[in-house]
Amino acid sequence: QLVLTQSPSASASLGASVKLTCTLSSGHSSYAIAWHQQQPEKGPRYLMKLNSDGSHSKGDGIPDRFSGSSSGAERYLTISSLQSEDEADYYCQTWGTGIRWVFGGGTKLTVL
Amino acid sequence: EVQLVESGGGLVQPGRSLRLSCAASGFTFDDYAMHWVRQAPGKGLEWVSGISWNSGSIGYADSVKGRFTISRDNAKNSLYLQMNSLRAEDTALYYCAKDPNSSGWSLHLDYWGQGTLVTVSS
Repeated sequence: QLVLTQSPSASASLGASVKLTCTLSSGHSSYAIAWHQQQPEKGPRYLMKLNSDGSHSKGDGIPDRFSGSSSGAERYLTISSLQSEDEADYYCQTWGTGIRWVFGGGTKLTVL
Repeated sequence: EVQLVESGGGLVQPGRSLRLSCAASGFTFDDYAMHWVRQAPGKGLEWVSGISWNSGSIGYADSVKGRFTISRDNAKNSLYLQMNSLRAEDTALYYCAKDPNSSGWSLHLDYWGQGTLVTVSS
């Protein structure tokens, strides 16, 4: 069964960089994923699609500070030059078996 | 500019029904698949249902199969979710989301609405 695992929380200082991780369950290490950002009290926003080879394509208007990379079953979202508005929940998501989509549990990012 | 505006949420008793709507603009609605995703209070995102551009392909999460029905009216640029036999665990913010694939399904969802709140309680 396809499962996406994320750490519940992460924190980093204003102006620093942070790397969030999404881990694909066994047998699914070749899957691409997407990253979404959800700022407090807002609907989610699509950030990027991230392939297993680390190539990625970003959504409209997503700053260069957001980038993605991959290693094995792990998919990463790196945010550099952290700003206060980056404090949000970040979800990874992919396409499951048949007509169904799967989300990770989300990581709550705190900007110190 | 792509806009997705959900409506129809509210307080409903367990066992009753509710119909959600999503009004789409800023893109050619009948070219794209659409989805409903929900978020229970304080919880993460859960995909609920998806419908292809021509309604020919539809999928549901196991948690709602047999109770919820997704549909669309391309002439009205609108997406719907008919929710029957509602349960307390269906309480959530329901988001409408667009699929970026114009010829089928895509891995990801590229635009989201702001959501409409459904509360199931007696």
